[in-house]
Amino acid sequence: DTAVSQTPKYLVTQMGNDKSIKCEQNLGHDTMYWYKQDSKKFLKIMFSYNNKELIINETVPNRFSPKSPDKAHLNLHINSLELGDSAVYFCASSHGQGLGEQFFGPGTRLTVL
Amino acid sequence: SQKIEQNSEALNIQEGKTATLTCNYTNYSPAYLQWYRQDPGRGPVFLLLIRENEKEKRKERLKVTFDTTLKQSLFHITASQPADSATYLCALGSGNQFYFGTGTSLTVIP
Repeated sequence: DTAVSQTPKYLVTQMGNDKSIKCEQNLGHDTMYWYKQDSKKFLKIMFSYNNKELIINETVPNRFSPKSPDKAHLNLHINSLELGDSAVYFCASSHGQGLGEQFFGPGTRLTVL
Repeated sequence: SQKIEQNSEALNIQEGKTATLTCNYTNYSPAYLQWYRQDPGRGPVFLLLIRENEKEKRKERLKVTFDTTLKQSLFHITASQPADSATYLCALGSGNQFYFGTGTSLTVIP
């Protein structure tokens, strides 16, 4: 069974469109994250949710809106997509915040044309 | 703002040798440090955690040191194998904050 899953794996879209990426974890973790990995492979945290509550909200354009319907899901909605949004987006989860090792999903490669 | 740097973007070593990767940080006092491995097209996988009050941690062929005075962590892979080839990321955290380093791509040459 996949621990952290993301859909879709690839997403190609035009500038200005709105898209969503879904994430689900079956590990029973209470904390979930979204990361962005750019073309230089730099991995940067975007959001963190603990028990469906937003904990970390790094400097991210408000076009990005995370939604956590329950502890096992954290979806990422992106409005008015821009070229600079092209990257690989990773979802992760952990037990508690801080020290807990994070389990990452396989990533979603977003390409904005 | 905090800055985390890992030594050279790419590191090539001969099979059987010890690979040493460096993670340096500034403007930050992490409570812990983690190391992850990332293979192409995949998400990072956790390897080791070391806390600020620990000097060294070992797991099989892996060893991590943490020097809060030098603001540096060293990650060693002994008896390296071609299968160890991957990108290795350090990550520093304190409270709710968590930051990844720039990563080092390791290639172990047979």
